[in-house]
Amino acid sequence: AQSVSQHNHHVILSEAASLELGCNYSYGGTVNLFWYVQYPGQHLQLLLKYFSGDPLVKGIKGFEAEFIKSKFSFNLRKPSVQWSDTAEYFCAVNPSGGSYIPTFGRGTSLIVHP
Amino acid sequence: ETGVTQTPRHLVMGMTNKKSLKCEQHLGHNAMYWYKQSAKKPLELMFVYSLEERVENNSVPSRFSPECPNSSHLFLHLHTLQPEDSALYLCASSQDSFTGGHNEQFFGPGTRLTVL
Repeated sequence: AQSVSQHNHHVILSEAASLELGCNYSYGGTVNLFWYVQYPGQHLQLLLKYFSGDPLVKGIKGFEAEFIKSKFSFNLRKPSVQWSDTAEYFCAVNPSGGSYIPTFGRGTSLIVHP
Repeated sequence: ETGVTQTPRHLVMGMTNKKSLKCEQHLGHNAMYWYKQSAKKPLELMFVYSLEERVENNSVPSRFSPECPNSSHLFLHLHTLQPEDSALYLCASSQDSFTGGHNEQFFGPGTRLTVL
């Protein structure tokens, strides 16, 4: 069974700092990769996803993620965070061509100080 | 109304009560999910339904009983819960795709459950 690791459980940044959240998965085949965000008091929503093509994908609100197959990684980045980016971020993976049921990481809590 | 809706948004119940959580999706999806989200714990998948048939049950205690009468509605029936069952219960839907798995999940706002 695949697993997803998000090594940073809590991240605290000041506004304008750069952000990188790690996501590693364990699965040998082709995968679909997702980042979801949960703002305080709001529902989980998709930030971006990758399933083929350019390994650098861009999502909403200036976020991007890079799929590095050799490292089994899909790290989320943003060059300059804002206070409004304070949220919980979840990485999710499901195998291509197989079950559509994703495996989620345990999440990273990001706090951005103004 | 669009998206995934859940009712009630908040629920407080005693250990001997019976209650139900309701989820409705207006997206035309054919797969629906129940998740449990507890503080400081990973998102826990509880049940998955595809085309109204249960396809996944992650060893959830029998005091939780799901029901999927059609592809738009999903219920979670609760009976004799324990205080440790207090959590945010999330419903999600997606377009079932065994040949791709490209499709993301759409989540509801959740039901905040407190068991006294």
